Amino acid sequence: AAGVIQSPRHLIKEKRETATLKCYPIPRHDTVYWYQQGPGQDPQFLISFYEKMQSDKGSIPDRFSAQQFSDYHSELNMSSLELGDSALYFCASSTRTSGGAAKNIQYFGAGTRLSVL
Amino acid sequence: AQKITQTQPGMFVQEKEAVTLDCTYDTSDPSYGLFWYKQPSSGEMIFLIYQGSYDQQNATEGRYSLNFQKARKSANLVISASQLGDSAMYFCAMREGGTSGSRLTFGEGTQLTVNP
Repeated sequence: AAGVIQSPRHLIKEKRETATLKCYPIPRHDTVYWYQQGPGQDPQFLISFYEKMQSDKGSIPDRFSAQQFSDYHSELNMSSLELGDSALYFCASSTRTSGGAAKNIQYFGAGTRLSVL
Repeated sequence: AQKITQTQPGMFVQEKEAVTLDCTYDTSDPSYGLFWYKQPSSGEMIFLIYQGSYDQQNATEGRYSLNFQKARKSANLVISASQLGDSAMYFCAMREGGTSGSRLTFGEGTQLTVNP
């Protein structure tokens, strides 16, 4: 079965540079989520989109922005990168099920490992 | 306040034995979902099992079962017949409310090691 595709898998950037992470959800999934996982930490929610509209917003820095496109893929744009942005960035996708939105199982991609030097 | 608490930073189990990973949660929302994910050392996040707040029966998925005690606000993961490949970090997570796009809140995780 098709899974969530994230690219690139690894990214190395210098401080103050910009980065763009891409996410292609599972086909027919209408909701995309972004999470940040620092070393030895649990994933922290950044932002989500449902049907191309922002749905929920977490602790996403103002230097970051994201959007979901008409084909449902999503991009996370990160500017003025800082050393502390080094982390594993996950994209997840879901779709509404008959069990209600609370059941919407989020399937995660393999993640993009960002290193800021 | 922590919404998801996993009190076991590390757990060890012998191969073929069963193991229980603890998870307690805190919410005032009557509609919520509880999830368990597995994260091997390779880094990917793998969905294991789901339990809804209104579900009457405990969820099961193969060797995984969820011991859901609503009054105690606990959702422990039970892995039966442990395998070496079960060695990984396990995260309990909760989703509150019924809105599409609602976030998952994760616990700090439990590192499970299966010994041969």
